[in-house]
Amino acid sequence: DGGITQSPKYLFRKEGQNVTLSCEQNLNHDAMYWYRQDPGQGLRLIYYSQIVNDFQKGDIAEGYSVSREKKESFPLTVTSAQKNPTAFYLCASMAGYSYNEQFFGPGTRLTVL
Amino acid sequence: KNEVEQSPQNLTAQEGEFITINCSYSVGISALHWLQQHPGGGIVSLFMLSSGKKKHGRLIATINIQEKHSSLHITASHPRDSAVYICAGLGGSNYKLTFGKGTLLTVNP
Repeated sequence: DGGITQSPKYLFRKEGQNVTLSCEQNLNHDAMYWYRQDPGQGLRLIYYSQIVNDFQKGDIAEGYSVSREKKESFPLTVTSAQKNPTAFYLCASMAGYSYNEQFFGPGTRLTVL
Repeated sequence: KNEVEQSPQNLTAQEGEFITINCSYSVGISALHWLQQHPGGGIVSLFMLSSGKKKHGRLIATINIQEKHSSLHITASHPRDSAVYICAGLGGSNYKLTFGKGTLLTVNP
């Protein structure tokens, strides 16, 4: 089955630790996205990548980093510089460069203690 | 700056009722994406449309380009339709989505 996997579903970390969230897709999509969701707010874009070895900052990139070494993988690192990292993180992908629908992963809920 | 506004924020209905969720968007948005998010958090794409109307089962999405407005309708609503419905506008050269805050729909049996 084609789709997007994110692991783990729930993640707990101590304050001050970096943590990496996994996102893998087997849809052969070129573009991949990371969003953050907080209660009462719409999803906000953290980083996106339209092609391997290239990525761009979204609206709330501070305190986050990404890499895109392979087409199918787009991991997100939440660094200790992120002031309020507890949130629900969603990864998405989209085919091509025109207006296509985005497909979403199941999400990772990160709690920083 | 692209903006997307949804209404209502919360909606409670009885099983069988006709549901309408509205979405208004700003200049610069070329297509509208309707998404469904269940309590577990995963998001499913329902529709993507840039003109006219689309139908899938009991779900209908319409868009009015001139008025920059889209609606999602659910006919013969069912408790399993209970979810958060999100509209998102697509625009710009990097195909970014701008999300509304979502509408929490609860359908009671």
